[in-house]
Amino acid sequence: DQQVKQNSPSLSVQEGRISILNCDYTNSMFDYFLWYKKYPAEGPTFLISISSIKDKNEDGRFTVFLNKSAKHLSLHIVPSQPGDSAVYFCAASLNRNAGNMLTFGGGTRLMVKP
Amino acid sequence: DVKVTQSSRYLVKRTGEKVFLECVQDMDHENMFWYRQDPGLGLRLIYFSYDVKMKEKGDIPEGYSVSREKKERFSLILESASTNQTSMYLCASSFPGLRTDTQYFGPGTRLTVL
Repeated sequence: DQQVKQNSPSLSVQEGRISILNCDYTNSMFDYFLWYKKYPAEGPTFLISISSIKDKNEDGRFTVFLNKSAKHLSLHIVPSQPGDSAVYFCAASLNRNAGNMLTFGGGTRLMVKP
Repeated sequence: DVKVTQSSRYLVKRTGEKVFLECVQDMDHENMFWYRQDPGLGLRLIYFSYDVKMKEKGDIPEGYSVSREKKERFSLILESASTNQTSMYLCASSFPGLRTDTQYFGPGTRLTVL
């Protein structure tokens, strides 16, 4: 059973608008959450993260929100750009001292249309 | 700039063959990981290593083994390849205890088993 789920396999957004990617998790022991972006034929690259002691973290056009009571996090991209078109994975960390193991969701393919 | 390289981008093997996938990182990271990426399932951890000659099973270790004889190199071995091991294989590395838990990924090896 997947502990981290991204229920939308794909999302299409117009350039300049907001993209919202969602992620749900089941294990309340997760204490750190990350988003990775993956272009075709490349490995995933780290985008943004959030600790469970926070509910929001912002980095330029990217903001991650964490709702611990709902076990839900979301990534907001504002404004969306065609170069943001990629697959986005959310990931959760159970214990940072245990080898930094991450549990990944299934990914959401974002398409930003010009 | 962290670099993680994988020995092959594309590989085609036959059922029953022994397959070696090599990964090398140049940042002196203690932790190294092997994942496979399948559509809708995201990245699933096969094995990880937190030190030379140390290894731990991930979520799906069956049919795989690993070797870490040197800090910079982590090998994934398919003892007898099967068609259900056709997948994209991603290697990653990280420092232990890094606050952001960032893992740095290689470009991936797309393995096809016929």
